[in-house]
Amino acid sequence: DARVTQTPRDKVTEMGQEVTMRCQPILGHNTVFWYRQTMMQGLELLAYFRNRAPLDDSGMPKDRFSAEMPDATLATLKIQPSEPRDSAVYFCASGLGQAGAETQYFGPGTRLLVL
Amino acid sequence: GQNIDQPTEMTATEGAIVQINCTYQTSGFNGLFWYQQHAGEAPTFLSYNVLDGLEEKGRFSSFLSRSKGYSYLLLKELQMKDSASYLCAVRVPGNTPLVFGKGTRLSVIA
Repeated sequence: DARVTQTPRDKVTEMGQEVTMRCQPILGHNTVFWYRQTMMQGLELLAYFRNRAPLDDSGMPKDRFSAEMPDATLATLKIQPSEPRDSAVYFCASGLGQAGAETQYFGPGTRLLVL
Repeated sequence: GQNIDQPTEMTATEGAIVQINCTYQTSGFNGLFWYQQHAGEAPTFLSYNVLDGLEEKGRFSSFLSRSKGYSYLLLKELQMKDSASYLCAVRVPGNTPLVFGKGTRLSVIA
């Protein structure tokens, strides 16, 4: 059955290292969302794309985070350099339709720990 | 700004009924979603309300009152596997994605 996939599932790294997270949206979906979830803040939207174009990345710390969609089957979220406060679960979700008008289907998440 | 409020935690007994409330103050409203998230897993879609009233789907029902900025998720015949976080999310007008609440962690006890 169709589902969003994310890699890696878990990542432990040291402060200052680059982290790249990948997401494969459900085939045919045209919107992709990146979220960060922590106990304190809950689910926070970092960035989202529609038809591969970035629509909003205001939730992302621009100096260290970047999100791209090199093609319709791959979305990436990069942190460089990483910091301990970036430790969280990062979810990718995809949907079909106008951004905000679709049900979002979430991937399993990448659990990131920055030491 | 956008604000969505849910209780942080709730506990209920197996076989009972529980109601999880969500209130929202947002710049416009185009629908409300409920998601379920088990510990260590991704959120999964439960329900969607855009008109006032009750939507029933098996043991789960979701209610919406747009005039009151209020929704609830009703879970009947609780099972241990219903222990999870329940996230309320609001769709606002324009080209913007969902605004999520922080979730309610439900514990079902024997």
